[in-house]
Amino acid sequence: QKEVEQNSGPLSVPEGAIASLNCTYSDRGSQSFFWYRQYSGKSPELIMFIYSNGDKEDGRFTAQLNKASQYVSLLIRDSQPSDSATYLCAVAKAAGNKLTFGGGTRVLVKP
Amino acid sequence: NAGVTQTPKFQVLKTGQSMTLQCAQDMNHNSMYWYRQDPGMGLRLIYYSASEGTTDKGEVPNGYNVSRLNKREFSLRLESAAPSQTSVYFCASSERDNYGYTFGSGTRLTVV
Repeated sequence: QKEVEQNSGPLSVPEGAIASLNCTYSDRGSQSFFWYRQYSGKSPELIMFIYSNGDKEDGRFTAQLNKASQYVSLLIRDSQPSDSATYLCAVAKAAGNKLTFGGGTRVLVKP
Repeated sequence: NAGVTQTPKFQVLKTGQSMTLQCAQDMNHNSMYWYRQDPGMGLRLIYYSASEGTTDKGEVPNGYNVSRLNKREFSLRLESAAPSQTSVYFCASSERDNYGYTFGSGTRLTVV
């Protein structure tokens, strides 16, 4: 079992719709959770981080964390073609800040 | 306001050659990291440095060495390149624990 798992996709979403991405992790001691966006041929860029159970909103993005079920999700509202990218989930364990990344979910937003 | 700068951006090596990938950050971050990214494998940690003067192995350290030259610079060395080291290499830095990373633009390395 991988430490951080994501569906590789592609997740095809009509423009204006909500894209829902999921990520599960295996280490119950994980404390910090991050979502990165990576355009093809580019480096990952941080979108959001979440530490506590519940929802966290930032613009069109909402991160949701459920530690009991060991999953974290990302919602992208009003999806735009510019949101087409691979989204990486990353998890930091209790000790130190080393991030373990999932394989990423490719999102395609179609006009 | 450069952030994290990696050099070179592209490199082709022959099997057995050596090279050093350079990374520098200007954000006064304490922690620095080297990852490799391969199709279907995601980002995997090679080495990291929690602070100046310290380095530790990550998930896939074999075939690599690192040097934390000072707080700004963290280099990755391949002593004897192998085709299995063909990958995209990313350097990243972080201000402190539980903060996200800032990534460099990456080095695309091909070993033939």
